[in-house]
Amino acid sequence: AQTVTQSQPEMSVQEAETVTLSCTYDTSESDYYLFWYKQPPSRQMILVIRQEAYKQQNATENRFSVNFQKAAKSFSLKISDSQLGDAAMYFCAYQDLDGTASKLTFGTGTRLQVTL
Amino acid sequence: ETGVTQTPRHLVMGMTNKKSLKCEQHLGHNAMYWYKQSAKKPLELMFVYNFKEQTENNSVPSRFSPECPNSSHLFLHLHTLQPEDSALYLCASSHGTSGEETQYFGPGTRLLVL
Repeated sequence: AQTVTQSQPEMSVQEAETVTLSCTYDTSESDYYLFWYKQPPSRQMILVIRQEAYKQQNATENRFSVNFQKAAKSFSLKISDSQLGDAAMYFCAYQDLDGTASKLTFGTGTRLQVTL
Repeated sequence: ETGVTQTPRHLVMGMTNKKSLKCEQHLGHNAMYWYKQSAKKPLELMFVYNFKEQTENNSVPSRFSPECPNSSHLFLHLHTLQPEDSALYLCASSHGTSGEETQYFGPGTRLLVL
């Protein structure tokens, strides 16, 4: 079974600084998708970024970028120029390319605090 | 707003009550999901529906009964729940259920079982 590990329960970053959230996963598959979701206090789970495993290029979305290391099964999220609105729980998630069902496997999350 | 709404946002119920959670998506998707989010635990997939048909039941106790009357609406009927069922229940939708699909989540219903 696939597992997703987020080893940092909490992180803190100063406004305008850069922070990196870690995620590792375990799978025997070669093709899959990886996601970072953000869950602010409002509880709405919002998609931040998505990475296809077959793509070597790291995904970027404005201030958010990933460092995808397939061999190491590592998928970290970098947030540049941190803003107060970035404070939230961040969840890393894995999804098989199984055609029968779309199943996300989530990590336990990292709580990000943004300080002035 | 992600186009997925859930009502109610908060619910308190006794163990003998019957209540229902509602989810509605306005994205034109065909697949809908229920997840349970408990403190300190990863999100747990409960049910998957694709084109109104249930395609996944992740060994969920029968006191949770899902209903999907059409591709836009999903319900979770609750009865004789236990205190350990207290959690945040999240609904999600996606265009289909292949592994290439991205799921979009609603804001959740915070459930407290007394």
